[in-house]
Amino acid sequence: EVQLVQSGAEVKKPGESLKISCKSFGYTFTTHWIAWVRQMPGKGLEWMGSIYSGDSDTRYSPSFQGQVTISVDRSISTAHLQWTSLKVSDTAMYYCARLEGVGAFDTWGQGTMITVSS
Amino acid sequence: QSALTQPRSVSGSPGQSVTISCTGTSSDVGAYNFVSWYQQHPGKAPKLIIYDVSKRPSGVPDRFSGSKSGNTASLNISGLQGEDEADYYCSSFADNHVRVFGGGTKLTVL
Repeated sequence: EVQLVQSGAEVKKPGESLKISCKSFGYTFTTHWIAWVRQMPGKGLEWMGSIYSGDSDTRYSPSFQGQVTISVDRSISTAHLQWTSLKVSDTAMYYCARLEGVGAFDTWGQGTMITVSS
Repeated sequence: QSALTQPRSVSGSPGQSVTISCTGTSSDVGAYNFVSWYQQHPGKAPKLIIYDVSKRPSGVPDRFSGSKSGNTASLNISGLQGEDEADYYCSSFADNHVRVFGGGTKLTVL
């Protein structure tokens, strides 16, 4: 069974750094893209960017370019999303999702809730 | 890249049909047959219900169907059931390998 398991909820202060993870199970990690999707409280889904696990080719949404970094560690079949300096406005649920084919996010992680507050 | 446009809410009675529209541009929905739809219940992760405009993943009831005309994609749900009450999001592949989501539609089953 294909599964994505995300790291747990985090509470951070503005200006702190953070790296969250998404571990893949049940398929060949290096043959698929992994995407990160933000959902702010009470709001819709926003595509942040995607990374091809085979060669780390990464595409970012213009809205998130320069704000976050997406990476993979092929040795542990894990994708990461990181911030160097969090803002209160980064408070949201973050989902990773596997891309099957060109446009379908076919498997989703359970989500990681990030709360940024002073 | 702007979000795709969906109605904020739709509603229907059990057994009825509803259609949710998703309007994009000639750079996303109109350019590619890579529109997908997701169902999200409160507090849960989204679930893929339609991909490549009209294909259903294994396990998704055939009450869910998708189509596209020009820059607008549509999700039709027939034979509404209480469990269909959820938020629905469309998504499209777009130029420069960008992906874009719609703003979401809340479906209420009356």
